[in-house]
Amino acid sequence: QQQVKQSPQSLIVQKGGISIINCAYENTAFDYFPWYQQFPGKGPALLIAIRPDVSEKKEGRFTISFNKSAKQFSLHIMDSQPGDSATYFCAASRSGYALNFGKGTSLLVTP
Amino acid sequence: DSGVTQTPKHLITATGQRVTLRCSPRSGDLSVYWYQQSLDQGLQFLIQYYNGEERAKGNILERFSAQQFPDLHSELNLSSLELGDSALYFCASSLRVAYNSPLHFGNGTRLTVT
Repeated sequence: QQQVKQSPQSLIVQKGGISIINCAYENTAFDYFPWYQQFPGKGPALLIAIRPDVSEKKEGRFTISFNKSAKQFSLHIMDSQPGDSATYFCAASRSGYALNFGKGTSLLVTP
Repeated sequence: DSGVTQTPKHLITATGQRVTLRCSPRSGDLSVYWYQQSLDQGLQFLIQYYNGEERAKGNILERFSAQQFPDLHSELNLSSLELGDSALYFCASSLRVAYNSPLHFGNGTRLTVT
């Protein structure tokens, strides 16, 4: 069964807007929560990651918010740009084990 | 460029056949992972190897097998192929098996079974 649930499936945002993608997990043993970005014809690439000992991590325009009690985490893309148009995957794992991915969100940023 | 090389890029074959997908990890990476990506199931973990030994199994069918060789490259063998096996197959590698050793993905092999 899907261990990580991701929403929405697709998202359209205007340039300069905020893109928000949400994920939820059930396994409380998970202790690593990365986000991957995938462009057509390419493999997923690590964007940003967080561990459950912090509630937020920011890298440039990308921020992960983490809510341990709710078992939810989200990706916020500030000042979204057309170049951010891609598929985004959240994932979760126990340290050292394979990532369990969400089904992905297709983001389109319109000019 | 992630440094992970997958060959071939595309593969078209018929039902019932057997194919081998190859992966060369990033230089120095000891762990290799195989994932299957389909439109309806997303990225599904198949199997993980670390330094030549199988470390974890995911949703890998019995018709599929893999191995990691002494030079650390890996092969995924798919046999008795069915139409439903058509998908993108990704290999990823990491330096070690720890949270701060991220996965680096290749660009995948697109398998089409006709």
